[in-house]
This record gives sequence, structure tokens and C-alpha cells, in this order.
Amino acid sequence: NAGVTQTPKFQVLKTGQSMTLQCAQDMNHNSMYWYRQDPGMGLRLIYYSASEGTTDKGEVPNGYNVSRLNKREFSLRLESAAPSQTSVYFCASSDQGNQPQHFGDGTRLSIL
Amino acid sequence: QQQVKQSPQSLIVQKGGISIINCAYENTAFDYFPWYQQFPGKGPALLIAIRPDVSEKKEGRFTISFNKSAKQFSLHIMDSQPGDSATYFCAARGFQSGYALNFGKGTSLLVTP
Repeated sequence: NAGVTQTPKFQVLKTGQSMTLQCAQDMNHNSMYWYRQDPGMGLRLIYYSASEGTTDKGEVPNGYNVSRLNKREFSLRLESAAPSQTSVYFCASSDQGNQPQHFGDGTRLSIL
Repeated sequence: QQQVKQSPQSLIVQKGGISIINCAYENTAFDYFPWYQQFPGKGPALLIAIRPDVSEKKEGRFTISFNKSAKQFSLHIMDSQPGDSATYFCAARGFQSGYALNFGKGTSLLVTP
């Protein structure tokens, strides 16, 4: 049982390049989330999708877009990467919003 | 604005000792308080969680103590082991933002042999 799978695991980009981070869950969960983790900052919410077909901004959405492709998949896109977006990105899912969240192992993104 | 404040930032405990991590929150709409454990290179994993209608929850060596009036909660790790060395995050959640978690900044725990 894979749970939440994120690809790629590592990526290096140059400033201005674009990229899509992929997330898929096999638990038939309704809600999905994207967080970023920076040293000494904890995890901060970028975007979330409470159910298939809906997406909403979180605490730090600037510079990102998301797509809830279907119930399983929730992608995060950086249109024009900036060094400030160097971070570890985590995707999470939960059955319903008020159920425990399960996290993937993250994508480590460096922007030069 | 950090909605959940966590302390200490780092903690060193001897094997067999008690590790204590504290968190405080302001938003009284929060109704679910989990603790996550994270090892290097891995995502956070749910360790234990509590709702505000109880003051304490114990699962094995891990205990959450919850003080609703003070808006504080803490994680106690009894008989700490070197394998417990990890980063621990407290979090809080209400119905806002699709029940997204609001995390503390994390505590790096090192348990020495």
C-alpha cells in the first residue's frame, strides 16, 4: 500500500524555469493538501483541495498554481521559479477534512 | 502569523529519560491537536492526537497533556530511546482552510545512549 506518492524526490531548477510537482494517493481520500517546509518554519499550507473539482489558497499561495486532476492526483506548478521557492514540498491527504492527514515523503526542490 | 507556538527548538535527553515538548495556540476554533514525528528524508508521520474534550491521552510511551483553559498542550515521551531521535511537530486544526493543519516550528530531539 503506497499511501501518498510524490514525484520527483529531488529537483534542481534555474530561476525562471517552470515545473510541476506530482502527488497521487491510493487511499480514496477526498481532501488533499500541499505544504512547504523551510528550516525553522514548520510546514505552511500552500493550497488545498477539499474535494475533487475544488481548490483553494492557503497561507503562502503566491507563485504557485494547483490542479486537482481527479480524486487521486493533486499537482503543484511553479510557473516561474524563484530562489525563495527553494524548499521541501509535502503533499498530504485525508479521507474527509476532519480525519488524520497522511503525508508523502516530499520533493526537495532547489532553485539557483 | 504563527498560530501554534512550539518550544523548545531543540532538546537533548539521555536514554531512559523523559522528553517534554510544549505547544500553545490562540484560536479557540481549533478542535484537533495532533503530534507528528519526522525522520530525515521522510514526511511527517502521525504519532498521537487529542481532541479538547479530554485532558490526557496515552499511547504506549507517548502522552499528550491538554489544558483547554490555558490553550496549551504538550507531548511527553517516557523512557526515551535513541530511536526516538527525530523532529517533532505539534499542530492544530479547525474547520478553516479545508481542515488544514497549522504547524508549530518543530523540535529536534536527540536521545543520547
